[in-house]
Amino acid sequence: QITLRESGPPLVNPTQTLTLTCSFSGFSLRPSGVGVAWIRQPPGKALEWLAVIYWDDDKRYNPSLRNRLTITKDTPKNQVVLTMIDVDPVDTGTYFCAHTAVWGVGMIYMDVWGKGTTVTVFS
Amino acid sequence: SYDLTQPPSVSVSPGQTASIPCSGDELEKKYVCWYQQKAGQSPVLVIYQDKKRPSGIPERFSGSNSGDTATLIISETQALDEADYYCQAWDSSTGVFGTGTKVTVL
Repeated sequence: QITLRESGPPLVNPTQTLTLTCSFSGFSLRPSGVGVAWIRQPPGKALEWLAVIYWDDDKRYNPSLRNRLTITKDTPKNQVVLTMIDVDPVDTGTYFCAHTAVWGVGMIYMDVWGKGTTVTVFS
Repeated sequence: SYDLTQPPSVSVSPGQTASIPCSGDELEKKYVCWYQQKAGQSPVLVIYQDKKRPSGIPERFSGSNSGDTATLIISETQALDEADYYCQAWDSSTGVFGTGTKVTVL
C-alpha cells in the first residue's frame, strides 16, 4: 500500500525559506517510471502543480515558480524535499505530495496523494 | 504557459448525467487526467490517459478528449459525487491543472 505524508512548518515569515518534506512508504524511487510531485492549494482556490522529481533525478518545475523552487530526493530514506525561497503571504495554502507514475511519453499520472500540510505565511 | 479552462460550476439532479468540459489548445495531443476533491480531503484520481479508470473508481465515471476539449462524464450521478473536479495535463513535462469545477447534486 502506497502512502505519503507531508511535513513542514505551519507558520513561516515573509522572505524566509520554506522546507517541506514528503515521507513515503510502499514504493521506492529506484525503479524506472516512478516520481514524486508537489502540488499546492491556496485556501478556497484551485490546485497548482509545483514540481516533480523522477527516479533518474530528472526534475521539472512550474515555470512561474522555477526560480524559487528546488526539489531533491533521498532515495534510501524514502523522502522528497521541496524548498521554496523568499516566501510571501500568497504562498499560504495546503501543500500536497503525490506518487507519480510514468508509463510513456505524456502518460504520467499522480495516483496517490498525501493528506497535505498547511502552511501560513505571515509577519 | 499552457492553460486549462473549466466552468466554475455544474449542477445536476440525482440520477442524471453531469458533463464537465476542460479546454486547452490542441488538448487532444496530450493525455488528460481528472481528479475529484471532496471538501477537506485530498484529490483522488478518477480518470487517467483521457478515459481510463483506476481500480476502485465506479464505471459511471468516464472521459473523452477531442480537439481542444476533454470531458469528464458522470453518469447516474449520486449525492456522494458532489465535489470539485480538476482536469490536468502535462505540457513539456510540467504539470498543469485546470481551473476546477464545483459539481453540485441538487
